[in-house]
Order: sequence, then C-alpha cells, then structure tokens
Amino acid sequence: NFILTQPHSVSESPGKTVTISCTRSSDRLASNYVQWYQQRPGSSPTAVIYENNRRPSGVPDRFSGSFDSSSNSASLTISGLKTEDEAEYFCQSYDSRNQGVFGGGTKLTVL
Amino acid sequence: VQLVQSGAEVKKPGASVKVSCKASGYTFTSYGVTWVRRAPGQGLEWMGWISPYNGNTNYAQSLQGRVTMTTDTSTYTAYMELRSLRSDDTAVYYCARDLRFSEWLFDYWGQGTLVTVSS
Repeated sequence: NFILTQPHSVSESPGKTVTISCTRSSDRLASNYVQWYQQRPGSSPTAVIYENNRRPSGVPDRFSGSFDSSSNSASLTISGLKTEDEAEYFCQSYDSRNQGVFGGGTKLTVL
Repeated sequence: VQLVQSGAEVKKPGASVKVSCKASGYTFTSYGVTWVRRAPGQGLEWMGWISPYNGNTNYAQSLQGRVTMTTDTSTYTAYMELRSLRSDDTAVYYCARDLRFSEWLFDYWGQGTLVTVSS
C-alpha cells in the first residue's frame, strides 16, 4: 500500500496562482496517472484534472496538472484564482491491485 | 448522464445498509461504477468498483468481507451493501461513473447518501 500526501491547507488571494502537491509515500503508482477532484461543502466531488494533465469538458484552462516521475509526485495549479475555487481538492491514483487511493485533501482558501 | 442515489439511512451498530444508485442517460453496461465515501472530518475513501457488464468487482482491502457491490442491468441500478455497521461507517456515500477502460476518470457522481450509524 501507499499513501498520497497533500498539504492540509493553502491560501492565496484572488487573481493569484496556487499549486497543490500530491506525493506518494512508497511504492510505485500503478498507472502513473493522477486525478484531481474538487469538492465544495455540501456538494459531490467533481473532476478537474485526470491522467495527470487532462481537463474534463467544462473545466476552465485556469486548472492545470503535472506529474514528475523522478519524485513520483503530482501537482495541481490553479491560476487567476476566483472565490468560487475555494474548495477541498483531493488527488487520486491506483495501487498495484488497481485499488483507488485518495490523498488526504487540501483545503484551498481564496481570500 | 445522471446518477440518482437513494435517501438517507439511520442504522444501529451491527446492522446492514444497502444504498442504490440509478443511472440514466448512457448505456449502463459500458462503464464501471465506483463507490466512494466521506466520513465527517475525514477525506474521500475509495470503497470499490463494479463492472455492470460482467459483474467483476474490486473491493478496498479495508472493507473486504463487509461490502458487496451488485448491479441490476434491467433497471440500470448499482447497489452497495455494507454489513456489520460500526459508528465509524457514518459517512456520505457516493457512486460515480468510472471510465477506467478508456480514461482514468470518475466523470459523473451521484448526489450522495448519508448513512448514520448510531445506537
């Protein structure tokens, strides 16, 4: 098993850029693909990035993702921050048994 | 595409709960269904996956022996049953459409079902 580690919280001002990291603790990610899900309070999660850097239809290009194979870590970058981006963000990948693993989540505050 | 889940449940410790997830707007057997839960104050937890096409399942190791996922292809409905409920099973349970055979993505989610386990 492995753990995906995210910062507990980040904060930034509107219009700025923020990056959230997601680092695996041990073992190799099965597919090397990382997804990112946004969850606002009281709502279901929605995908903002899949397969490291692809955006689902309807997600603005202010959201981007990357993966560094040398450090086995992924990043979610949100540029031109808006107050509506305030939410919790979870990275997700799969282990060697194709079982899903979520990071602990990062609470983004836009103030 | 829509996934509509059953309503909130209150159960006693040791009981079982069965949550349904009715799909519409796509061919049900063409995509998997993943179940995810979120307990109060905790993050998202992947529970398992089922293929409506052939019934194949893959359950989280932490839930093995307590969880069963099934589908009814005639009604486009997926079910998640959790047995021997404990207080730490109190959570919002979500189903999501899983595109894993084409893309690694949960693209549509149900609205969530609150399951409360309390004596």
